[in-house]
Amino acid sequence: DADVTQTPRNRITKTGKRIMLECSQTKGHDRMYWYRQDPGLGLRLIYYSFDVKDINKGEISDGYSVSRQAQAKFSLSLESAIPNQTALYFCATSSNDLESSHEQYFGPGTRLTVT
Amino acid sequence: GQSLEQPSEVTAVEGAIVQINCTYQTSGFYGLSWYQQHDGGAPTFLSYNALDGLEETGRFSSFLSRSDSYGYLLLQELQMKDSASYFCAVRRSNSGYALNFGKGTSLLVTP
Repeated sequence: DADVTQTPRNRITKTGKRIMLECSQTKGHDRMYWYRQDPGLGLRLIYYSFDVKDINKGEISDGYSVSRQAQAKFSLSLESAIPNQTALYFCATSSNDLESSHEQYFGPGTRLTVT
Repeated sequence: GQSLEQPSEVTAVEGAIVQINCTYQTSGFYGLSWYQQHDGGAPTFLSYNALDGLEETGRFSSFLSRSDSYGYLLLQELQMKDSASYFCAVRRSNSGYALNFGKGTSLLVTP
């Protein structure tokens, strides 16, 4: 079984709809991250969480919100989707140990299309 | 401000050696990571440097010079399966040690 899972894997939605992307991990990691990837722009950090009570904004948090329901679950919401949020979304995890938290484990990604 | 620069594309021949450079300008620099991604799949961790010098992991090596704000990934004995995108990522102490990724280098290995 995969250590980091994302649901759904693909989603097409309409402008203005609310959508939630979910991420679960079985690695026992405290740190979880959400990134979006657009062609030619690499991976950009949306939000990150170091534990259930700690949520931090990343580079591009506008238009997004997150919820850390448990150590193993971190959800990303688009309250009112717009076409320029069409992208590939990745969840990632890492340990809380400073010496190893640079190694992040990524989920398979969710391809979101907003029409 | 912050910036991470790496070449957008590199082509090399199977069996050869290729170097992918990364220059950065950032506050709170703590370390430099490298990730590989095949065709929109999940990025996977390759290497990390927190101190100056060379780190070797099999066919892959990574180098860091903190004084020059520069690092590179060296891939030896290139194989066709190495065709992928490679990302450098800066780890910053003033953003909770989260990673900020570069735009990636697309490596094409030809026969």
